Amino acid sequence: KQEVTQIPAALSVPEGENLVLNCSFTDSAIYNLQWFRQDPGKGLTSLLLIQSSQREQTSGRLNASLDKSSGRSTLYIAASQPGDSATYLCAATGNQFYFGTGTSLTVIP
Amino acid sequence: GAVVSQHPSRVICKSGTSVKIECRSLDFQATTMFWYRQFPKQSLMLMATSNEGSKATYEQGVEKDKFLINHASLTLSTLTVTSAHPEDSSFYICSARDRLTGNTGELFFGEGSRLTVL
Repeated sequence: KQEVTQIPAALSVPEGENLVLNCSFTDSAIYNLQWFRQDPGKGLTSLLLIQSSQREQTSGRLNASLDKSSGRSTLYIAASQPGDSATYLCAATGNQFYFGTGTSLTVIP
Repeated sequence: GAVVSQHPSRVICKSGTSVKIECRSLDFQATTMFWYRQFPKQSLMLMATSNEGSKATYEQGVEKDKFLINHASLTLSTLTVTSAHPEDSSFYICSARDRLTGNTGELFFGEGSRLTVL
């Protein structure tokens, strides 16, 4: 069974700093990897989707990379803002979605 | 992006009653929808995969008679928590994928439903 791990579990940074969130998965036979954001008490908002044949995707200040062979994905957030504070989840997709444990990000003004 | 609507967003009920949660894909058709449960400060736990026109596939440890899932159309799946008890109190989230994108498509989530059983 696929296991997805996210490091760190929590992260606190000052506004303006660049940061990297990590996601690792045990089974490289995935269709894609998706990054989500979850605000407290809310559902999930899709941020970036990387197909298994791709290496990275970019959207605004966000850049996600995928290395299937090593079972890793990273989410890079440039010039962090207080509004980026949320929990970030990665999900590896095979026949089902397997979610990571999440990284709780706090950006301090 | 595509929109998934989940209703109700909050529900409070007495122990022993049944509660139905709806999940609708508003601008796409979904052959498959997924139901998750989330405990405070934890990640999402897949409960079941809802398949249009057929029986849902439940994850190990999830009682199918307790959590009834119906996926009668390509845009609607429902989760009914039967004879709810306080331990069923949780945040339930549904998700769906456009049937045209297949297994490689993006997953879209509803806003979640907070169930509190008194």
